Amino acid sequence: IVLTQSPGTLSLSPGERATLSCWASQSVSSNYLAWYQQKPGQAPRLLIYGASSRATGIPDRFSGGGSGTDFTLTISRLEPEDFAVYYCQHYGSSPRTFGQGTRVDIK
Amino acid sequence: EVQLVESGGGLVQPGGSLRLSCVVSGITFKNYAMFWVRQAPGKGLEDVSFISSTGSSTYYADSVKGRFTISRDNSKNTLYLQMGDLRTEDMAVYYCARDPGYYDSSGNFYPYAFDLWGQGTMVTVSS
Repeated sequence: IVLTQSPGTLSLSPGERATLSCWASQSVSSNYLAWYQQKPGQAPRLLIYGASSRATGIPDRFSGGGSGTDFTLTISRLEPEDFAVYYCQHYGSSPRTFGQGTRVDIK
Repeated sequence: EVQLVESGGGLVQPGGSLRLSCVVSGITFKNYAMFWVRQAPGKGLEDVSFISSTGSSTYYADSVKGRFTISRDNSKNTLYLQMGDLRTEDMAVYYCARDPGYYDSSGNFYPYAFDLWGQGTMVTVSS
């Protein structure tokens, strides 16, 4: 499965809403779709699994949606610590491919 | 405190070998499937290899198949990646990661995603 993320870069201000997209080349089984956040020099952090379930400790401003081949990650109001790179990943089969990433930077 | 600590990275010449280790603490290591994920400098994430909780099942990305071997020692709470015939395109930060998914009574695995990651170890392949 090939995952394509859009846009490549999103330039926004703190407090704004961010909507990130992830398209799959074929249907993702059982909505086994995850989102990760990665900051420079750090390992990725799991945000969303099962397309829409927040991982432990993730603030409720992060939400995931979609099914089949179209998925979204929404950050309702950007906080300064949210500026980072975000990756989607399918994990229902091997290889567990990742999208190429969306960078959210400060406008 | 849960920790995944990778080690073993470094500088190696093309064609050389390296063994990475990931020591896991704070969880019951033997219960979980484990993965190696890599990230080339300035690039995205790539799923490299998987090993089941018992070690009986493994998977390799096509890019490393036949050159890398994943293994684990559940008595030492340690995951390994033996890398051989290294190429410049293998240069990356290598992360170990856990999937806390479960096996049903029929042996089917229900995945969860990668909820725990190590800090990574850098592998540099250069002459």
